[in-house]
Amino acid sequence: SAVISQKPSRDICQRGTSLTIQCQVDSQVTMMFWYRQQPGQSLTLIATANQGSEATYESGFVIDKFPISRPNLTFSTLTVSNMSPEDSSIYLCSVEDGVRTQYFGPGTRLLVL
Amino acid sequence: AQSVTQLDSQVPVFEEAPVELRCNYSSSVSVYLFWYVQYPNQGLQLLLKYLSGSTLVKGINGFEAEFNKSQTSFHLRKPSVHISDTAEYFCAVYQAGTALIFGKGTTLSVSS
Repeated sequence: SAVISQKPSRDICQRGTSLTIQCQVDSQVTMMFWYRQQPGQSLTLIATANQGSEATYESGFVIDKFPISRPNLTFSTLTVSNMSPEDSSIYLCSVEDGVRTQYFGPGTRLLVL
Repeated sequence: AQSVTQLDSQVPVFEEAPVELRCNYSSSVSVYLFWYVQYPNQGLQLLLKYLSGSTLVKGINGFEAEFNKSQTSFHLRKPSVHISDTAEYFCAVYQAGTALIFGKGTTLSVSS
């Protein structure tokens, strides 16, 4: 399975600021995904990021709030913009191996004060 | 729309006891089924998956799950748990044309 890393692993941010989270994969993958896991909750898909095209956002998530870049087949970024305490969550990226199986990064733990 | 129900939010067990974590999904069409584990302060790790073939699937760390199409279930089992199995367990379902859908999770607490 792919090895996925995320930066930063955790951060504490002030409301109104933005944070960019990086996701790096050790092999080329077509599909990358960004999820949010709010405290004590399950995972919710934010968007699907495919290289060479605009990200596809799920209902309830918009590009202005969560802009995503996918410059190549091994890297993606998610920005959480104009943060509020409600954005405090774990943000995880994942990749699909081509056989409908997703593998997850270690997550970025974000606390917004 | 596809949905996943994990029937138990918390499962406390003693070390070396057997455990079953229950998962039901809503769709009757072809699906792919997964169990993930999340240890404290870590990401999700794939435990096992069912894509096709044998309905009994074996995964890592001694876990196994059985796909039951008629009951739309995919329960996770381990015959003897360890303290180190304490974690959050998520059942997930993928159906063609949709996203991977997660259940709400089951907290497995193993005590001595």
